[in-house]
Parts: sequence; C-alpha cells; structure tokens
Amino acid sequence: NAGVTQTPKFRVLKTGQSMTLLCAQDMNHEYMYWYRQDPGMGLRLIHYSVGEGTTAKGEVPDGYNVSRLKKQNFLLGLESAAPSQTSVYFCASRTSGRTYEQYFGPGTRLTVT
Amino acid sequence: DAKTTQPNSMESNEEEPVHLPCNHSTISGTDYIHWYRQLPSQGPEYVIHGLTSNVNNRMASLAIAEDRKSSTLILHRATLRDAAVYYCILRKGDSNYQLIWGAGTKLIIKP
Repeated sequence: NAGVTQTPKFRVLKTGQSMTLLCAQDMNHEYMYWYRQDPGMGLRLIHYSVGEGTTAKGEVPDGYNVSRLKKQNFLLGLESAAPSQTSVYFCASRTSGRTYEQYFGPGTRLTVT
Repeated sequence: DAKTTQPNSMESNEEEPVHLPCNHSTISGTDYIHWYRQLPSQGPEYVIHGLTSNVNNRMASLAIAEDRKSSTLILHRATLRDAAVYYCILRKGDSNYQLIWGAGTKLIIKP
C-alpha cells in the first residue's frame, strides 16, 4: 500500500515550457487535491476533484489545468510555466466519509527559470 | 473567511508536554478546527480535528475554548520526532474541500 505518490520529485523548467505532474493513490479515495506551498507559507489549494471525471477550481487556479480520467490519478498541468509558479506542489486524497483526514504525497519541487 | 493566528515558533524540551496555541476569533458556528503537521521535507500529516468538544487520539489532544475563539493542541510527551511545523486550520462545515492554511508554528524540540 503505497498511499499517495507523486511524479516527478524534482523538475526545472524554462519560462514558457509545459509539463504535467502526476498524482496517484491506491486507497480508493473519492476526493483528490492539488496544493502549492511557497517558502515559509501554508498550503494553497489549486484545484480539486470530488470524483472520477470531475474537477473544480480552488483558491489559486490561474495558470494550471487538471484532469481526473481515472479515480486513482489526478494530473496537474502547466501549459506555459512562469517563474511565479516556482513552488513545492503537494497532492492529497481523502475518502468521502466524515473523518476528513487528507493523506498527502511527498511533494514535487518545481523551479521555473 | 475566518483566519487563524499562531506563534511563529516554539521551543520545548524532550519528554515534556507541549501546548500549541491557536486563535480563531472570527470562527463561525459551523467551522471545524483541524490540526496538521509537516515534518521537514515531507507532505503534511493529519493530527486531529474537532468542532466544539475536546478531542483525544493516539497522537495528541485538542482543547477547544468554550467560546471557540481559541484552541490548543497538546502533545503529551514530546519526542525529537515531533519537531515539525504545526498548522491550525479552519474548515467550513458547509464545504467539503476548502482548508484555509496559515503559516503555522515551527516546533523545536530540545534534547
């Protein structure tokens, strides 16, 4: 049982390049989330999904797109990377039950130059 | 949206109890109080949550003030592995996704 995994762990992009971050969970969770964390700050929600085939915007969605084609995977895309998107990206998942415990992946450190 | 206020950092001695405070004076009646912690270079980890009553689990205890404008996370016997950033977070009772994260408290454990 791997929990929540994220690919890649590190990435350096040039301004204008695109990339996709992959989040996978093997806990059969309905809800999945993408967050970003800037130095010395808490997490900010980018996008989330309440089930396969559904996505919704969070607090800071601009410049990002997401897809949830399979229940276990949640993809975060950057179409044209900007230096302001340099951050650590975390994926999380949880059940649809009342415990509301979110399980987080180890993070992806992205640098845009 | 209601916000939380926490001290930037706290120090404690190993094997002693730790009380981490959180102020949320603008909390609404349906907001839940969640605590997560983040160990260095890792993703956050759920600790505990509550609404009105005090809560206990294997990791910690959560004491909620009667007026709900503040709460305290209690680690009963801190170890070096408890050194982390602790986040006090509010979740709206009518929202199943939005966690409002602050900057957290960096807990330093002295051996």
